Amino acid sequence: GQNIDQPTEMTATEGAIVQINCTYQTSGFNGLFWYQQHAGEAPTFLSYNVLDGLEEKGRFSSFLSRSKGYSYLLLKELQMKDSASYLCAVTDSNYQLIWGAGTKLIIKP
Amino acid sequence: GAVVSQHPSWVICKSGTSVKIECRSLDFQATTMFWYRQFPKQSLMLMATSNEGSKATYEQGVEKDKFLINHASLTLSTLTVTSAHPEDSSFYICSARHPGSDHEQFFGPGTRLTVL
Repeated sequence: GQNIDQPTEMTATEGAIVQINCTYQTSGFNGLFWYQQHAGEAPTFLSYNVLDGLEEKGRFSSFLSRSKGYSYLLLKELQMKDSASYLCAVTDSNYQLIWGAGTKLIIKP
Repeated sequence: GAVVSQHPSWVICKSGTSVKIECRSLDFQATTMFWYRQFPKQSLMLMATSNEGSKATYEQGVEKDKFLINHASLTLSTLTVTSAHPEDSSFYICSARHPGSDHEQFFGPGTRLTVL
């Protein structure tokens, strides 16, 4: 079967760094996405990894290891507005998006 | 570019009525659109894949006669929830695949449906 695992909830302090992990087992792999979703809103695109390594985009970075079926999203200099759910999603061999359950990130002052 | 809109953004209806939700790609043509449902504190659940000019492909457990999907043009897909019941109350989100990208999906803002 297809499976994506990520922690249900994480808490971090404003100004700190947090790493959200995602592991996956899918039928085929055509890339991994990270989306941010605030409560009551649709997901917004954060990053896309298809090759191994680190992709950096401002305060957010995403890492992928295809051999390990593993990715992480790194958020630096945390701000209160970063409180949201972070969704890991993998595109399988049919280019279908397989979604993780999401990680709710709580930022405390 | 790559903007997707949804209408309405929220709707309240009585049990037994039908509700139509529109999803439009505003600045690109989308041969494939997706309909998701999201219950509170849960992740997105794919309901169906909508292909322009052909029948939608429904995920297991989704009733095709209850959730009617029409993708009549390259910029518009509609989802009709027929004979809605309170358990259909949810956040419905559409997304569209951009022709220049065979991987990324662009999401609409979502429609909050409440069935009384």
